[in-house]
Amino acid sequence: SQQGEEDPQALSIQEGENATMNCSYKTSINNLQWYRQNSGRGLVHLILIRSNEREKHSGRLRVTLDTSKKSSSLLITASRAADTASYFCAAWDYYSTLTFGKGTMLLVSP
Amino acid sequence: EAEVAQSPRYKITEKSQAVAFWCDPISGHATLYWYRQILGQGPELLVQFQDESVVDDSQLPKDRFSAERLKGVDSTLKIQPAELGDSAMYLCASSLARELVVAYNEQFFGPGTRLTVL
Repeated sequence: SQQGEEDPQALSIQEGENATMNCSYKTSINNLQWYRQNSGRGLVHLILIRSNEREKHSGRLRVTLDTSKKSSSLLITASRAADTASYFCAAWDYYSTLTFGKGTMLLVSP
Repeated sequence: EAEVAQSPRYKITEKSQAVAFWCDPISGHATLYWYRQILGQGPELLVQFQDESVVDDSQLPKDRFSAERLKGVDSTLKIQPAELGDSAMYLCASSLARELVVAYNEQFFGPGTRLTVL
């Protein structure tokens, strides 16, 4: 079964705007990871946040984690057309299983 | 830059036929994963190998699916017989981690095999 649930399912913005995607998960986790998937391709790891961390940055990406609410958010600042892709959160539990959500489809228009 | 290789990239088959997918992980990666991704969904784990041993195949439909990683390097996933509902993207991923419980376990994904069952 899928652990993470992303929100929204789809997001359409203009270049330069910020994009925020949310993820909720069900069980206790060791860490939570975000991946990007371009249409019809494999997934690319973006960022990992451990369960004892609250916020992490990587370039234009900012991830937050609230373990009390079992939720995470991914913020992409100053979006570009090349950011158009599907974004998945994946929860790594203590049984060594990475469980993915259903993803958010992001469309960035020039 | 090292990548996970998968072949074929696309496969069209008729139901009841046998299909096989191949994956070559990044050199030195101990853990190998096979995922199935239905259109519009996230990947779901089918099987996980640690070297040549299966450590999790709880979601693998064992009546028709089989997977092996005989020498602990490349891996083959087979479906026999294929059914219409097997149409999906089959993704292979690998990670460096040797221990089952690790604090960090980035997975590197291959481009996937798109299977269409007619």
